Amino acid sequence: KQEVTQIPAALSVPEGENLVLNCSFTDSAIYNLQWFRQDPGKGLTSLLLIQSSQREQTSGRLNASLDKSSGRSTLYIAASQPGDSATYLCAVKKENYGGATNKLIFGTGTLLAVQP
Amino acid sequence: NAGVTQTPKFRVLKTGQSMTLLCAQDMNHEYMYWYRQDPGMGLRLIHYSVGEGTTAKGEVPDGYNVSRLKKQNFLLGLESAAPSQTSVYFCASSSTSLAQFFGPGTRLTVL
Repeated sequence: KQEVTQIPAALSVPEGENLVLNCSFTDSAIYNLQWFRQDPGKGLTSLLLIQSSQREQTSGRLNASLDKSSGRSTLYIAASQPGDSATYLCAVKKENYGGATNKLIFGTGTLLAVQP
Repeated sequence: NAGVTQTPKFRVLKTGQSMTLLCAQDMNHEYMYWYRQDPGMGLRLIHYSVGEGTTAKGEVPDGYNVSRLKKQNFLLGLESAAPSQTSVYFCASSSTSLAQFFGPGTRLTVL
């Protein structure tokens, strides 16, 4: 059974610092991995999606990497800002066998606080 | 283009009452999903649909029913609400293997 773990559960950093959030998964047979941001009381916003054949994806100050063989992904945030404060979730999609379902398995998230 | 919308945003029920949560998407997505989010548990899939007229069970389907009569709508029903169903419910949609897009959520409290 696929399990997704995010460490640390919470992180507090001063503004301007570069930081890395970690996501690990137990079954390397994934189709893709998606990073989301969730603001308090709000829904999830998709940040980056990495296909299993890719090593990384970049969007602005965000860079996500994927190492399937070791079951790890990292989300790198450069020059952090108070507006980056949110919960960051990673989710993996199982390998696409016949009758693909597109089901995502989520981690429990990392709560990030960027102090001004 | 509203994306994924959910109604209602908040609801309080008494044990045993029934209700329906509505999800609508305007992106012509084939796949739609219902998740619940609980502290320390992450998001868990309740039911999903791979197309109009089809539904299937996810991880935690007990106590819920769903219907997908129109491609753009996915309804989640609670026939007899229980306190264990107090949660935040999220709907999402996607096109085949691409990213899932989430609605803003419905906060449900069952007393």
